[in-house]
Amino acid sequence: AQSVTQLDSQVPVFEEAPVELRCNYSSSVSVYLFWYVQYPNQGLQLLLKYLSGSTLVKGINGFEAEFNKSQTSFHLRKPSVHISDTAEYFCAVKTPSSASKIIFGSGTRLSIRP
Amino acid sequence: DARVTQTPRHKVTEMGQEVTMRCQPILGHNTVFWYRQTMMQGLELLAYFRNRAPLDDSGMPKDRFSAEMPDATLATLKIQPSEPRDSAVYFCASAPVGQETQYFGPGTRLLVL
Repeated sequence: AQSVTQLDSQVPVFEEAPVELRCNYSSSVSVYLFWYVQYPNQGLQLLLKYLSGSTLVKGINGFEAEFNKSQTSFHLRKPSVHISDTAEYFCAVKTPSSASKIIFGSGTRLSIRP
Repeated sequence: DARVTQTPRHKVTEMGQEVTMRCQPILGHNTVFWYRQTMMQGLELLAYFRNRAPLDDSGMPKDRFSAEMPDATLATLKIQPSEPRDSAVYFCASAPVGQETQYFGPGTRLLVL
């Protein structure tokens, strides 16, 4: 079975500072990895995903993530955050099987201070 | 810009009442998911359908919850009878054939008194 861990429940950063949101996964088979963002009072939307190929994945709003198989990590980064990035961020894992379910992490709340 | 729609957006009801939540997936998407989000449990998958057939509802309390897809444009989640512990935000999401990305609706915020 797959699992995903987001160790940081909250991450406060100053505006224009860089940020890294950590995600580690556990799986005995190959996986697909995702980051979703949830803005206040909205549903989740996809930021980026890793299915195969280049381990550095670029997403919307200037975010990127790097798949590290040896460390079983998929950390999300942004070099300079804005107030509008205030949201909850979910890491998720899924196996390539069409019958498998996506497993979401517990989420990391990113708060931006002016 | 195609979106998943959910109705109602908010629902307040009393314990014991029936609650029905509706979801219209994006046209052409063949997979529909129901999730529940609470502060304590986070995001939980309740059930999902592919081509209108239920594939997995193991996350759903069977005694009071039921999920159906009467047609390709409508998914329903019903709670009968509702209990205060069912208070949560319920999300519907849909995904197109062969793609892994899920598109979420805005959610139904349910409060059971």
